[in-house]
Parts: sequence; C-alpha cells; structure tokens
Amino acid sequence: DAKTTQPPSMDCAEGRAANLPCNHSTISGNEYVYWYRQIHSQGPQYIIHGLKNNETNEMASLIITEDRKSSTLILPHATLRDTAVYYCIVSGRNQGGKLIFGQGTELSVKP
Amino acid sequence: GAVVSQHPSWVICKSGTSVKIECRSLDFQATTMFWYRQFPKQSLMLMATSNEGSKATYEQGVEKDKFLINHASLTLSTLTVTSAHPEDSSFYICSARDLGGLNTQYFGPGTRLTVL
Repeated sequence: DAKTTQPPSMDCAEGRAANLPCNHSTISGNEYVYWYRQIHSQGPQYIIHGLKNNETNEMASLIITEDRKSSTLILPHATLRDTAVYYCIVSGRNQGGKLIFGQGTELSVKP
Repeated sequence: GAVVSQHPSWVICKSGTSVKIECRSLDFQATTMFWYRQFPKQSLMLMATSNEGSKATYEQGVEKDKFLINHASLTLSTLTVTSAHPEDSSFYICSARDLGGLNTQYFGPGTRLTVL
C-alpha cells in the first residue's frame, strides 16, 4: 500500500506557482521522498527527490518539513504543459528500491 | 536525464498468442529494472522486479508463469505476456534504476497492449 496521502485534484492558473502537498506521517529515517509526474498515456517522469533538506532543480523545488511527515512540491511558474498526475512516493532500502504508486494529484493548469 | 526506451510502443494481438515487450536503458547500466501495468484511470501497479542475471521477483497476485521476465544484460529486460487474453489488455511500463547517478528510477514511455 502507498504510504502517502495526496489531494485527488488541484487547479492552478498558468504562470502562478503550483504547490502540491503530500503527507507521509509514517516515513522512516532512511526513506526518501520522490516526486514523479505522468502526463496522459506516457511513462512517469522523474521530478525530484529528497531525504531531509529542501531540494531544488530546474523543474521544481521540494520542501520537506522538519519532522519529515509532510512535503510540498513547488512548480514555480506553472505552464499548460505541467498538467499531469503528480505522484509523491516514499521509498528506501527496506523496499529494495521499489516505488509503490498511490493515486496521486491530478493537477490542471488553466489559462 | 537518463533515457529508457520500450519496444513496441503499442501492439495488438489475438487471444492465446504471446507478446514480448523490451525495455532498454540507453545511457546507463541498470542492474535492477521494474515492470508495472496500468489500467485506464488507475495508478501504476508494480508487477515485478527484474534483476540482471537472476530470477525476477514477482509481487503478490502476479502470475510468474503468465508474465515471463528476463534480464539478460545490464541494459535490457524483457516481459513476455504468455497466452494473452483480453483481460491482459493494459498499459505496460518499465523503469530502470540508475545506480551510478542518484539511485533514481527512470521510466520508459510504456507499451499499450490490446488483446482481441
């Protein structure tokens, strides 16, 4: 079973920041938080991952709370092409590297 | 980023035939690859873990004799759906773990299987 909870859907205006929350209250110390997205009928795309510290790359920023029980993925300037299902996944060595997908958040970016 | 390819991208076959799907890591080596399937409007479901040079590990409820997995090299894993039936129609997706980089999984574009 997925170990994360995400809202089923969100809307965002084009050009604005999209903030996607994820709860992972049962995360253990050696587990990472991964974010992927899936555009319709394509394979998932890796976005970012982190352990404790906040992370930023060319696609997004990941903010992890100090207690690590929740995180937020931030797309700083959402475009129509960012419309996708976003998955927050917790995984570590105990899972042998497996990624167990939950239902994700369907993000709709609107003009 | 790392690239994973799948072939074919779509296939239509008759009931009772077998279908082979290839998954390749193009610019990195992957000792471990994973196979998922996805039904319409559902999330990805992990089917099995494919380890180079050893037998695959199947998730609970996945028939290993139905879904044959071979991981013969560090860049290629294959999934064969044997004696396919209409209920096997699905979107099959593979991923490969890049141990040399961020230990991150990268996904292929998927294969759409339709069994008539």
